[in-house]
Amino acid sequence: NAGVMQNPRHLVRRRGQEARLRCSPMKGHSHVYWYRQLPEEGLKFMVYLQKENIIDESGMPKERFSAEFPKEGPSILRIQQVVRGDSAAYFCASSPSLGEQYFGPGTRLTVT
Amino acid sequence: TQLLEQSPQFLSIQEGENLTVYCNSSSVFSSLQWYRQEPGEGPVLLVTVVTGGEVKKLKRLTFQFGDARKDSSLHITAAQPGDTGLYLCAGPASGGYQKVTFGTGTKLQVIP
Repeated sequence: NAGVMQNPRHLVRRRGQEARLRCSPMKGHSHVYWYRQLPEEGLKFMVYLQKENIIDESGMPKERFSAEFPKEGPSILRIQQVVRGDSAAYFCASSPSLGEQYFGPGTRLTVT
Repeated sequence: TQLLEQSPQFLSIQEGENLTVYCNSSSVFSSLQWYRQEPGEGPVLLVTVVTGGEVKKLKRLTFQFGDARKDSSLHITAAQPGDTGLYLCAGPASGGYQKVTFGTGTKLQVIP
C-alpha cells in the first residue's frame, strides 16, 4: 500500500505567484489534513477535509489560502499571491478515520 | 482549545543514556499518538495508546498513557544516534468533533 504522496517536494515561487501543492492520500483514506511547519518548530494545523467537504479550516488564513479535496484526484492546497512569509514546509496527512494520521514527505515552498 | 505541552523542549544526551519525554494536557484525549520526525521528512507514526494506564513497548521505546488519559510519556532506554529527531505527541480530544491536536515537540539529539 503506497504511502501518502505529495508533490512537488520542492517548489520555488516569486512573490506574487501562485503555489499549488498536491496530496494523494493513502488508498482507502477519506480524511486529509494539511499542516505547515517552520524550521525548528512543530506542526501547525491548517485545514481538515473529507471528500468534497471542508470540515475545519480554522488554521488557514482567510485570504490567499484555499484547499480542496475533490471526489476524484488529489487534495490541493492553493496559495495565491505568495509572500516571503509563506516559505515553509507543508505537510499533508491522511487517515482512514479520526485519530492516527499518516504523513507525506512534505512540500518545501521557498518564496523569493 | 485542547493543548498538548511537551517537555523537555530540547534534549541532548550521550549514546547509551536513558531519557523520558512527557506530553501533558488539561484535557482528556480518547487516544494519543507518538510520532518521530527526522530533518527533511514527514512525521512517522510510532504508536497509539488508547486505554488509560496502557503501556506499549516498541523495542527500546516504552510509551505510557496516563490513567486519566490527560498525559503520556515516552521512555527510551540506551539511546542510539538513530533515535535523534523531533518527537511529537498528538491526539483527538474527547467529545464532539475530534480535531487532532499536536504537541509542541521535543527535539532529541543523541551524541555518539
